[in-house]
Parts: sequence; structure tokens; C-alpha cells
Amino acid sequence: SQQGEEDPQALSIQEGENATMNCSYKTSINNLQWYRQNSGRGLVHLILIRSNEREKHSGRLRVTLDTSKKSSSLLITASRAADTASYFCATLGGGATNKLIFGTGTLLAVQP
Amino acid sequence: EAGVTQFPSHSVIEKGQTVTLRCDPISGHDNLYWYRRVMGKEIKFLLHFVKESKQDESGMPNNRFLAERTGGTYSTLKVQPAELEDSGVYFCASSLGGSGAYEQYFGPGTRLTVT
Repeated sequence: SQQGEEDPQALSIQEGENATMNCSYKTSINNLQWYRQNSGRGLVHLILIRSNEREKHSGRLRVTLDTSKKSSSLLITASRAADTASYFCATLGGGATNKLIFGTGTLLAVQP
Repeated sequence: EAGVTQFPSHSVIEKGQTVTLRCDPISGHDNLYWYRRVMGKEIKFLLHFVKESKQDESGMPNNRFLAERTGGTYSTLKVQPAELEDSGVYFCASSLGGSGAYEQYFGPGTRLTVT
């Protein structure tokens, strides 16, 4: 079953602007991860935030986590054309397998 | 250190044909996962190997899909016979066992097009 939903499904901004993507999930988590997929390329791990953390930064990325609302957001500041990609949140599916359950993804287009 | 590699990067086959995808995990990674993204939808889990054993194959869509990991090194995913709805991007990921199990490293994916 689908764990997370992301909104918006698609986002188009100008270079230099900030982009915010949201993710909601259904079950309790140990951590939440964000990935990026560039067109024609693989998944790249961006950042992991643990359930006891509320905010985490990595370069131009800022991730927040609200476990009471079962939601997370990814903020990309000062966007660049190279940030154009699909962004996914992912949580662990539970059990011994550690499989990732991905959200539906947000397609971000950064116009130069 | 080499990352996860996948071969081929792109495969175009006709409906009814057979295709075999290969994944080489990072050396020393016991866990190997297969995922796929179909038609621009969400990325879905297919199965998980721990070394050569299938730990979880709950995501395999049907018996046209067969995954193997002989010797606990590289893995293959065979689709036979392929159907149109199998088109998509197939990702492989690997991770260490034990406490490092959460960090999955993904390969570049194989884009499968079934015509």
C-alpha cells in the first residue's frame, strides 16, 4: 500500500526562488528520507531525518518533520536549473526487510 | 569505491519477449533490493535479498518476474514474457547488514520499454 503522498505533484519555479515540497505518511516511523531522481538517472539520497529530530539542514536543503501530523517538508533554497528533478520522500516499510516505501513524488521544474 | 551498477541502462523489447536485468551491488553489501517506477508513478518495492536468500518478495507483481542472487553477489531480474505494463524504470539498491541497514544506495536504474 502507498505510504506517502506528496504535494504538489508538480512545481514550476524560476531560478533563484525557493521550492517547498510536502510529504505525508501513514504509519509511525524511525526516520524519513528524501531522494531525488533526475530524468534518465538513478535515485540519489539527499537527506535523512530521524523521528526525534524536527529540522535538519544540508547545504541548500532544509527538511522538517512533524511526527504528530505525520508530515515532512523539503525546502530547496536559491534553486538552480540543475535542481530540476523528481523528489520523493521515503519511509521504512517495517519488519526485518527495511524496504523503503516511497511517496508519489513531486516533479520540480526550475526555469533558467 | 564503485557504487551500485545496473545493466543495461535501457532495454527495448517486444511484448512476449524475455529480458534480464542485472544489478551489481556495492562490494560487501549483504542487502540487495529491487524497486521499479512504472509510468511515472510512485517507486514500488519488488523484493529484498539478504546475501543469496530472498527475505521479502511481497512486491513481485506476478510469476512472470524471477529474481536470483546466486552466490550472494550480483542479482538478476528476469521478466518472461514481458507485457506492456512492465515498462518502467527498475532500480536496484544495496545496503550493509546490521546497523547500517537503513542507508540504501541506489543504482542508476534500467529503463525498460516494452512495445
